Amino acid sequence: DIQLTQSPSFLSAYRGDRVTITCRASQGISNYLAWYQQKPGKAPQLLISGASTLESGVPTRFSGSGSGTEFTLTISSLQPDDFATYYCQHLNTYRLTFGPGTTVEIK
Amino acid sequence: QVQLVESGGGVVQPGKSLRLSCAASGFTFSNYGMHWVRQAPGKGLEWVAVIYFDGSNQYYLDSVKGRFTISRDDSKNTLYLQMNSLRAEDTAVYYCARDSMAEYIPTGALDYWGQGTLVTVSS
Repeated sequence: DIQLTQSPSFLSAYRGDRVTITCRASQGISNYLAWYQQKPGKAPQLLISGASTLESGVPTRFSGSGSGTEFTLTISSLQPDDFATYYCQHLNTYRLTFGPGTTVEIK
Repeated sequence: QVQLVESGGGVVQPGKSLRLSCAASGFTFSNYGMHWVRQAPGKGLEWVAVIYFDGSNQYYLDSVKGRFTISRDDSKNTLYLQMNSLRAEDTAVYYCARDSMAEYIPTGALDYWGQGTLVTVSS
């Protein structure tokens, strides 16, 4: 089974900071990776699929990159609305795997 | 607009059963694969099950295989999760979610989610 790890697990940043979250897969998964944002008490929201394709309506300050075993989610200029937990996910037809999450908090 | 509304959660004793429902609206339900994803209190996301758009295939998390059954009723635009032999470790908020790929094998990208329903397994 594919395992996903995320780093860091927690980060504290200022508004306007550039933030990068890394997701690593235990084996190569090409570009079969998605990123989600989840705010407390709310359902997750799909941000990026196919490792780098931004979903409709998602602000362009979010971007994704990577292939194989290492992927990144970048927020170019952190906004108050971006403070949340972010999950990567392996895209698979019959067995989905989520990373453990990265919580982004206000410094 | 796309809406997914879960119901059926509650408190149940270990070993008992519960059926969750997810009422869909705002899209052609029969065209999309559907998933259940759960989140234990204070924990991360865990995928539970998927059913193809045509109901031809269902797949499960290993720990629920044989105990949970995902199904759909396209005439009612409703997704179900029948949960039997419940365990304390099944306690979680259960979300239904739509696969982003229409009329094809699910990709696993979940583009719409419900608000979730809480299942608590406790004696």
